[in-house]
Amino acid sequence: GAVVSQHPSWVICKSGTSVKIECRSLDFQATTMFWYRQFPKQSLMLMATSNEGSKATYEQGVEKDKFLINHASLTLSTLTVTSAHPEDSSFYICSATSREMRETQYFGPGTRLLVL
Amino acid sequence: SQQGEEDPQALSIQEGENATMNCSYKTSINNLQWYRQNSGRGLVHLILIRSNEREKHSGRLRVTLDTSKKSSSLLITASRAADTASYFCATEDSGAGSYQLTFGKGTKLSVIP
Repeated sequence: GAVVSQHPSWVICKSGTSVKIECRSLDFQATTMFWYRQFPKQSLMLMATSNEGSKATYEQGVEKDKFLINHASLTLSTLTVTSAHPEDSSFYICSATSREMRETQYFGPGTRLLVL
Repeated sequence: SQQGEEDPQALSIQEGENATMNCSYKTSINNLQWYRQNSGRGLVHLILIRSNEREKHSGRLRVTLDTSKKSSSLLITASRAADTASYFCATEDSGAGSYQLTFGKGTKLSVIP
């Protein structure tokens, strides 16, 4: 159990376009979802925390107008990278948890974004 | 926010040997977790140890936690080639909301067949 999927698994886009990444909890209701960014050979950096039905809480230094997060249902959160630029190229990973799961987060497989 | 520091950054061992990775952190925590990441993939939860626990076992994994030294270790016994991956510690900091985790920089483990 506790499977989280992400779509797409990779995306290449032109600079200036917007890209939407979906994160779904397949077999549980995720009251909280997290979005991370990971640069090559580096750790995960938390971008934002998303609670179902409320606005996301962004970490310091993360532009909320650049990275739009929507958590409209208990099984789906989306991250939209608006007007993407080459420096936004990265590996984006979501995770999900619920009150029943408490401290454990279940991670999606990640989405690799390359902005040309 | 504080970030865990793992050492070593990279570890290469022969199959069958034990692998030990260490993690240090800076603030008070509710729990510490270890995750595994295969190259270019998502993270898999391995084990969680709470701040009032000192040692925990799961299969070939043994985790210790020393809150006085703000450190933890992950031991993988009888390593296998399939254990090759990056291993991250993550802390749920006391006072942090919504079960937020702070990840360390990771240890890249290579197990040579």
